[in-house]
Amino acid sequence: GAVVSQHPSRVICKSGTSVKIECRSLDFQATTMFWYRQFPKQSLMLMATSNEGSKATYEQGVEKDKFLINHASLTLSTLTVTSAHPEDSSFYICSAKWRNTEAFFGQGTRLTVV
Amino acid sequence: GIQVEQSPPDLILQEGANSTLRCNFSDSVNNLQWFHQNPWGQLINLFYIPSGTKQNGRLSATTVATERYSLLYISSSQTTDSGVYFCAVRGGNKLTFGTGTQLKVEL
Repeated sequence: GAVVSQHPSRVICKSGTSVKIECRSLDFQATTMFWYRQFPKQSLMLMATSNEGSKATYEQGVEKDKFLINHASLTLSTLTVTSAHPEDSSFYICSAKWRNTEAFFGQGTRLTVV
Repeated sequence: GIQVEQSPPDLILQEGANSTLRCNFSDSVNNLQWFHQNPWGQLINLFYIPSGTKQNGRLSATTVATERYSLLYISSSQTTDSGVYFCAVRGGNKLTFGTGTQLKVEL
């Protein structure tokens, strides 16, 4: 299957700082990328959908100013958690797909805000 | 939005047993995928199955789109099959995940 690389896999940051997570499609061009958040023992909750060159579409209840998403190229999307607080601690996962084909997922990033 | 329910929520099997996991969805979908999430959180693609039946080794899946459900069959289960199984459906450009089935296979 296709490869989606997500970095970093784990990050610890201080409260009030910002953290950037990168998601790259390594062997295909991603027309759409998705960002999910997963709490322990729960399902994946869609945060936002981004199409290359367009602004991201955020799900209801997701703060646009806190979770900045950029999809500047067909192989790279970034999620920046701004002014992080302990309640933002979670597992963040990106996904990428080409047009109407199946989606592939990155390894996930475990964010801990202290 | 589309609601996706999976059953059972938890399942414990003895090694070698067979099992069926179910995914029900509330609306017409463009596509459906099954995933296995390993203990490190990585989602492994199992099937991309908008309709019909597919098989891959000990796993097979069937989607009946007109009746809005999909089934994942695991035969001769092994301890390495343990983990969480998710189905995810695509309506429009969104990929919505189901509630998941936590599977534990014991010796």
